[in-house]
Amino acid sequence: DTEVTQTPKHLVMGMTNKKSLKCEQHMGHRAMYWYKQKAKKPPELMFVYSYEKLSINESVPSRFSPECPNSSLLNLHLHALQPEDSALYLCASSQGAGGPGDTQYFGPGTRLTVL
Amino acid sequence: GQSLEQPSEVTAVEGAIVQINCTYQTSGFYGLSWYQQHDGGAPTFLSYNGLDGLEETGRFSSFLSRSDSYGYLLLQELQMKDSASYFCAVRDSEISSGSARQLTFGSGTQLTVLP
Repeated sequence: DTEVTQTPKHLVMGMTNKKSLKCEQHMGHRAMYWYKQKAKKPPELMFVYSYEKLSINESVPSRFSPECPNSSLLNLHLHALQPEDSALYLCASSQGAGGPGDTQYFGPGTRLTVL
Repeated sequence: GQSLEQPSEVTAVEGAIVQINCTYQTSGFYGLSWYQQHDGGAPTFLSYNGLDGLEETGRFSSFLSRSDSYGYLLLQELQMKDSASYFCAVRDSEISSGSARQLTFGSGTQLTVLP
């Protein structure tokens, strides 16, 4: 099973709203990732959690706040977003062990629209 | 800096063979991966090359030459459903905890398969 699930599939929010994106995997992976993807562009890495610790924060604005409650769950808390934050937000996971086993598997994404 | 070059668009007809090339310049290298992404969908892992040579998975094959910093994805017996974006991605940086590697994506190749 190589399934990563994300909820919600679609989200429309105003600039003053607070919302959260959720990601879950049950593959025993120890690394989880948040990416942002604009149309016709490659995924851009936002955050990486490795063994439930935030390892990488790619200079993401503080209106995005990640959380890793346990090794299977990853959240992205959103607050005071801007219209330019509208994008597909992808979660991915990997074994975190390096080598061929470190393939990243992506969830279906959350399509976010900020009004 | 990190850079991956791949053609922006490729068009072919059903039943044909198409090759998507990828050249890279990255500070570290721990393998080349290929992902497929249909419009509105999530990236789906296709193949990984950690060592030089050819990897075959059904109709898809991927090749790597580390000395040339070059790889390609070969798609045979093209089908309409193969119309999608294809991304090459290099595993480069090591993430501080654990052994997970960060992925750097190419800009993507839009493949259109014509009847």
